[in-house]
Amino acid sequence: DIVMTQTPLSLSVTPGQPASISCKSSQSLLHSDGKTYLYWYLQKPGQPPQLLIYEVFNRFSGVPDRFSGSGSGTDFTLRISRVEAEDVGVYYCMQSRQLPGLTFGGGTKVEIK
Amino acid sequence: EVQLLESGGGLVQPGGSLRLSCAASGFSFGGYAMSWVRQAPGKGLEWVSSISGSGTTTYYAGSVRGRFAISRDNSRNTLYLQMNSLRAEDRALYYCAKTNRGYNWNYFDSWGQGTLVTVSS
Repeated sequence: DIVMTQTPLSLSVTPGQPASISCKSSQSLLHSDGKTYLYWYLQKPGQPPQLLIYEVFNRFSGVPDRFSGSGSGTDFTLRISRVEAEDVGVYYCMQSRQLPGLTFGGGTKVEIK
Repeated sequence: EVQLLESGGGLVQPGGSLRLSCAASGFSFGGYAMSWVRQAPGKGLEWVSSISGSGTTTYYAGSVRGRFAISRDNSRNTLYLQMNSLRAEDRALYYCAKTNRGYNWNYFDSWGQGTLVTVSS
C-alpha cells in the first residue's frame, strides 16, 4: 500500500493567520491518465469527514477560497490563507492512485490559539 | 440533498458477526460506487471496502478480506457490510461513503454519520 505521511501532527493557529499542512506519499500519485489522485478532507469535531480539495488543487463545491492545494508527484501541501474558528478539526490527505489500497494520512489536528 | 443513514452497529463478541446497512437517498444510488470507511476511537481513517454502482465489482482492504463482504440492493437504495469473525481491532465507527462515479471512482464526496461497532467479550 502507498503510505501517506502528514506533518505536523498538530497546529495551533491565531485567527486570521495562515496555516500549512504537508502530505508526502511513498510512491508517485501521478497516473498515466495525467491526473494526480490526491485529496484533502476535514473532519470537524463530532462529524464525518468532508471533502475540501480533489486532485491536488481543485476546491470541492462550497469550499471557501481560503483553502488551496498544491504539489505534485509525492509532495503535497494544503494551505489555509486566513484561518477561521470554523476551520478547527483534523485534516486528512488521501490517495486513490492505488485502488484497492486507498490510504489516508494520519491526520493533522488544527486548533485555534 | 444526499443522505446516508447507517445502522446495524452494536456490541458483539470476538468471533461473532454483524451486518451493517446504509440507506441512501437524494441521488441515483445505482449510478455510484459506494464504500465503507472506518475510524477506531481517537484514530485516523481506514478504507474498508468498496463496490461498484452495478454491484459487480468489489474491493477489500487486506485487514478485512475473507471476513467482510460488501453488497448492495439498488432496488432498495441500500448498501450492506456483512462482518464475520470479528476481532477486537475491528472496533470502530463505520462510515458509509458515496463516491464520485459508478466505476473507476476516485474519491468520496458524501459521508453518513457512522454506526459504532464494538467487539468485546
